[in-house]
Amino acid sequence: KAGVTQTPRYLIKTRGQQVTLSCSPISGHRSVSWYQQTPGQGLQFLFEYFSETQRNKGNFPGRFSGRQFSNSRSEMNVSTLELGDSALYLCASSSEGYEQYFGPGTRLTVT
Amino acid sequence: QQPVQSPQAVILREGEDAVINCSSSKALYSVHWYRQKHGEAPVFLMILLKGGEQKGHEKISASFNEKKQQSSLYLTASQLSYSGTYFCGTENPNDYKLSFGAGTTVTVRA
Repeated sequence: KAGVTQTPRYLIKTRGQQVTLSCSPISGHRSVSWYQQTPGQGLQFLFEYFSETQRNKGNFPGRFSGRQFSNSRSEMNVSTLELGDSALYLCASSSEGYEQYFGPGTRLTVT
Repeated sequence: QQPVQSPQAVILREGEDAVINCSSSKALYSVHWYRQKHGEAPVFLMILLKGGEQKGHEKISASFNEKKQQSSLYLTASQLSYSGTYFCGTENPNDYKLSFGAGTTVTVRA
């Protein structure tokens, strides 16, 4: 089985711009979760989607949004980027809600 | 609420043992353990569920004290491959959100 893929792997954006990140889960997995990882804060939960519905949401501002498509692929959008949004964004998929399989992440740098 | 992990970092020689602790101020439904090697994605190690059930892939051991809302991961006879940052994730029984601790960096030296 192919693993979780994320595109793009690296991204450089300017403050005020918006960005869309993509995640393709493992085939058959219906749950996709997004995390922000920074050296200071560790892994912070953003949101989880299951069968195209947001099932859970972390404590992030409304600038962070996501969606999931019928094929379980998911996108995450960040609008009006701030310097503090620079981080590694990881998505993880799971089939039964237990073990999560993480993708390689998208490294976002905001200048 | 983010669980608290201790210690923040530990340095071991091959063959030595270590314990990583994870504690939460809230009641837990489950505790998840992941290891992340530098520049790689986190990899699932084990989940401990309320009631005693455990699921994991690797030959590691962990405990889950539901009353104390704590979990411990035991690294026994450490190998070089054990190096990495270990994260515990705690699942809230009210909303099943997974919150991760800040991580414990383990360095195993030859």
